[in-house]
Amino acid sequence: TQLLEQSPQFLSIQEGENLTVYCNSSSVFSSLQWYRQEPGEGPVLLVTVVTGGEVKKLKRLTFQFGDARKDSSLHITAAQPGDTGLYLCAGVDSGAGSYQLTFGKGTKLSVIP
Amino acid sequence: DAGVIQSPRHEVTEMGQEVTLRCKPISGHDYLFWYRQTMMRGLELLIYFNNNVPIDDSGMPEDRFSAKMPNASFSTLKIQPSEPRDSAVYFCASSWTGPNTIYFGEGSWLTVV
Repeated sequence: TQLLEQSPQFLSIQEGENLTVYCNSSSVFSSLQWYRQEPGEGPVLLVTVVTGGEVKKLKRLTFQFGDARKDSSLHITAAQPGDTGLYLCAGVDSGAGSYQLTFGKGTKLSVIP
Repeated sequence: DAGVIQSPRHEVTEMGQEVTLRCKPISGHDYLFWYRQTMMRGLELLIYFNNNVPIDDSGMPEDRFSAKMPNASFSTLKIQPSEPRDSAVYFCASSWTGPNTIYFGEGSWLTVV
């Protein structure tokens, strides 16, 4: 069973601060996805990273996929209250003809105005 | 555009009762996924379908759980009999490229007392 460990589990910061959350695994994934989930809603896909070492930017969010495709990080610059939510990473394993999407338990981020 | 539609949004039922959760995927999507989310275990894949055919049901916890997809626009997840430990948020999701671009519904919040 492939496991994804996310850290920290909880993070509370002031508006304007920077932060980084991590997603680590001992397994190699075909690609890795990041989602944000707000209370009472389903997760919403933010980005998919595919190539080892890949860096993608989405406004103030920077996503990086590890060279070995086992880990990833999400960096938020100048956090805003609207960034509050549960951030989930998910590893995609498309081997053996069966799509497996393994989720971490998430990092719950609170940005205080 | 309509997203993934789930019903009911909230259900409270007594232990031993049958529960049926419903999902309408996004039109044109050929993959449908059922997930369960709890604080302890995070998001877990229960089963997924491709072109209405169940592909992987290894995540279905017990025989009390069953899922069907009679046509491309409708799926059900049934729990019979329900138990308190089944209390969770159940998400339906759909995509047209396997898990690479997956859209979640808003979830069905189930409480079994």
